[in-house]
Amino acid sequence: AQSVTQLDSHVSVSEGTPVLLRCNYSSSYSPSLFWYVQHPNKGLQLLLKYTSAATLVKGINGFEAEFKKSETSFHLTKPSAHMSDAAEYFCARGDNAGNMLTFGGGTRLMVKP
Amino acid sequence: EPEVTQTPSHQVTQMGQEVILRCVPISNHLYFYWYRQILGQKVEFLVSFYNNEISEKSEIFDDQFSVERPDGSNFTLKIRSTKLEDSAMYFCASRGGRTGELFFGEGSRLTVL
Repeated sequence: AQSVTQLDSHVSVSEGTPVLLRCNYSSSYSPSLFWYVQHPNKGLQLLLKYTSAATLVKGINGFEAEFKKSETSFHLTKPSAHMSDAAEYFCARGDNAGNMLTFGGGTRLMVKP
Repeated sequence: EPEVTQTPSHQVTQMGQEVILRCVPISNHLYFYWYRQILGQKVEFLVSFYNNEISEKSEIFDDQFSVERPDGSNFTLKIRSTKLEDSAMYFCASRGGRTGELFFGEGSRLTVL
C-alpha cells in the first residue's frame, strides 16, 4: 500500500529563519506528490505539486520542494519564515488513476517572532 | 476565485441519527471527493464520484455511508446511523479534469454524542 510519512509532527522556527518540513513516501513508479497547507478553520490549499517534470518544484508563498528519488523524499522548504506561514502542512501522494490522495500525518509549523 | 463550499460548518448529533453533509463543488468540475480527518489523525480518503457514480471508495466507506449528486450543483454525503467514531472533520473536494488540481472546501465538523 502507498504511504506518506511526515517525520515531524511539530516544527518551530523563528521569523526570518529557514523552514524545512520533511516528507518521505513509499517507493513507487513515478509518484505524483503534493504539499497542502491548512490554516485554522480553513480548507486544504495546494502549495505545490510534483508530477514527473522538474525535480525542484516552486509553489506559492515562496515555498519549494525537491523530489529526490534516491531518498524517496519530497521535503518542503522556504528560505525565510513569515508569521503568516504558521499552519498545518500536509504532504500527499496521488494514485495512478488520479482518484485518491494518501496524506501524511501533517506537520504543525509554529513561527516565533 | 471559485471555491468549494460546505454546509454545515459544524453539526452536533446524537448517536444513531442520520446526518447529511452538503457540498457545492466548483461549477464546471466533474470529479468529486469526500475525505475525513479524525481529530489528531491523518486526512483519509472516503470516496470519489464521477459521471454520477462512485469511481472508488475506501474501506472506511461502508454501507452506512452514501453519496449523491441530487441536482447539478450539490454533492452530499449521508451517514445513515452515526456512531461515536464518525466524529471528524469531513472535507469535500472537486477537480475539473482527471489530473487537475484538487480544490478542498473548508470542512464540516461532525460531533456525535
